Amino acid sequence: KAGVTQTPRYLIKTRGQQVTLSCSPISGHRSVSWYQQTPGQGLQFLFEYFSETQRNKGNFPGRFSGRQFSNSRSEMNVSTLELGDSALYLCASSSAPGAKTGELFFGEGSRLTVL
Amino acid sequence: GDSVTQMEGPVTLSEEAFLTINCTYTATGYPSLFWYVQYPGEGLQLLLKATKADDKGSNKGFEATYRKETTSFHLEKGSVQVSDSAVYFCALSGSGTSYGKLTFGQGTILTVHP
Repeated sequence: KAGVTQTPRYLIKTRGQQVTLSCSPISGHRSVSWYQQTPGQGLQFLFEYFSETQRNKGNFPGRFSGRQFSNSRSEMNVSTLELGDSALYLCASSSAPGAKTGELFFGEGSRLTVL
Repeated sequence: GDSVTQMEGPVTLSEEAFLTINCTYTATGYPSLFWYVQYPGEGLQLLLKATKADDKGSNKGFEATYRKETTSFHLEKGSVQVSDSAVYFCALSGSGTSYGKLTFGQGTILTVHP
């Protein structure tokens, strides 16, 4: 079956703009998590959604937000972009909420460059 | 809070050499532990996992044992191949307020030469 699909794969924005990234989970998966990957900070958890509800949130400013739709697809938005937001944004899905017992399936990521 | 520390890399080995990548963690309660691998140009994929103390996870010749007494989950492989070249991440899933997220180590770049 199809894996986790993230769009767009690459994008370039300028400071102050906003961006929306999309994630389509594996069919049947209801949990979606987002992570930011940078060379300096590594992989950091942004938030997790299950059945359209945010279940957990990482330590990021309010400029980072997300949502999940009834078909489990998810979007994340970053407003007022800063240079430090340049990163690979990874989406992961699982069949159950939480990562404790289940396996996370990751997409290939959306690489955001802020100029 | 929860944290994961991996040995600093990169690691460069010859084919058929023995691999160890060290991983130690700090967490409250009883976390689950994971190794994820990221091949060039791809997303992360689960390599192996262990959900309780003394469990051994294994896959594709890789092994790691959940050692609660030393808070460690070291990754080992007896004979590496060129195709094992990738970035390896140790991660944990905690309990309580951190339930539902993975805390990752910094990653270790492994390069295997023929």
